[in-house]
Amino acid sequence: YVLSQPPSLAVAPGTTARVTCGGNNIGGYSVHWYQQKSGQAPVLVVYDDIKRPSGIPERFSGSNSGNTATLTISGVEAGDEADYYCQVWDGSGDPDYVFGSGTKVTVL
Amino acid sequence: QVQLVQSGAEVKKSGASVRVSCKASEHTSITYYMHWVRRAPGQGLEWMGIIDAYGGSTAYAQKFQGRLTMTTATSTGTVYMDLNGLTSEDTAVYFCARAPLKATALDFWGQGTLVTVSS
Repeated sequence: YVLSQPPSLAVAPGTTARVTCGGNNIGGYSVHWYQQKSGQAPVLVVYDDIKRPSGIPERFSGSNSGNTATLTISGVEAGDEADYYCQVWDGSGDPDYVFGSGTKVTVL
Repeated sequence: QVQLVQSGAEVKKSGASVRVSCKASEHTSITYYMHWVRRAPGQGLEWMGIIDAYGGSTAYAQKFQGRLTMTTATSTGTVYMDLNGLTSEDTAVYFCARAPLKATALDFWGQGTLVTVSS
């Protein structure tokens, strides 16, 4: 199973960033999103398509339908600059757990 | 809050093996799964495999079959990742990451261990 993400996205502070993740019928999967800042470990920011872990700002939200899942970051801040990865569990494929190729979000 | 503490950086020669450990700060009787994920320079995240931290069952990505082994020491809450037959393509930062159930999100991550393979 292949997940496709745009390599990069540049946004101005205070605006909205939408990071997409494309996959065949991805709407039938639970999608999770991770933020990885330079030199740090990834952090889970959205799980099961739309849920936020404790401590993640409400500015981060997710949606998933059809062939596209989207991570939306509202009111982008300089501290949101990072690589973002989508991920699903594909129990019938190899590998079982698939990451998207990642999107580098740059805050202008 | 669960914390996962990994062992330190390693430098290995081509053909050698490496062991990376991952210890959970809160070792409880609640079962969980541990994943290993790596990120090579200039590349994205790559899933390697998963282990039931208490039962010990494993599943590996086909790419690593035959040279990847994951084990668990339940008495100390430590999980180990052994990778043999190292090549320069294995140079990467290796992360352990916990998931409460087999198909759920990876909710807590270790700090990462840099493994450098030189010829």
